[in-house]
Amino acid sequence: GAGVSQTPSNKVTEKGKYVELRCDPISGHTALYWYRQSLGQGPEFLIYFQGTGAADDSGLPNDRFFAVRPEGSVSTLKIQRTERGDSAVYLCASSPAGARTDTQYFGPGTRLTVL
Amino acid sequence: GNSVTQMEGPVTLSEEAFLTINCTYTATGYPSLFWYVQYPGEGLQLLLKATKADDKGSNKGFEATYRKETTSFHLEKGSVQVSDSAVYFCALSESSASKIIFGSGTRLSIRP
Repeated sequence: GAGVSQTPSNKVTEKGKYVELRCDPISGHTALYWYRQSLGQGPEFLIYFQGTGAADDSGLPNDRFFAVRPEGSVSTLKIQRTERGDSAVYLCASSPAGARTDTQYFGPGTRLTVL
Repeated sequence: GNSVTQMEGPVTLSEEAFLTINCTYTATGYPSLFWYVQYPGEGLQLLLKATKADDKGSNKGFEATYRKETTSFHLEKGSVQVSDSAVYFCALSESSASKIIFGSGTRLSIRP
């Protein structure tokens, strides 16, 4: 079956612009996660959805970052007034139920470059 | 807070050598432990996992044992291949939450 997909694969924007990154999780997975990976580092947690609601948004760095999952499937990560420090690979993952023992399946990521 | 510390790379070995990548963690409660791998040009994928103390995870010849007494989850393989060249991430998911906390990764290169 299809894995987690993310679009676009690459996004180049200018400082101050608004961007949206999309994630399509594995069908039937109720849990969806966003992570951010800077060069040479491990992924860092941003936000976790269980169904349509954000169950844990403790990793969002500031109020410029926002994410939605209105129908409990596709999710969009939104970044306002982008800064050069936002440049990173943004990873989406999904898991069947969000249990701590579940395997999280990762998408290929969106590479965001802020000029 | 909870954290994962893993062996810094890069690690370079000859084919058929024995591999150990050290990983230790700090966590409250009873986390699940994972090794994820990122092959060149590919996405992050689960290599193996262990969900409770003394469990051993294994896959593709790799093994790691959940050691609560030493808070460790070292990755081992008896005979590495060129195709094992990748970046390896040790990780945990907290007992009270399902988000994953990753280590900084270890780049492994295997010489033919």
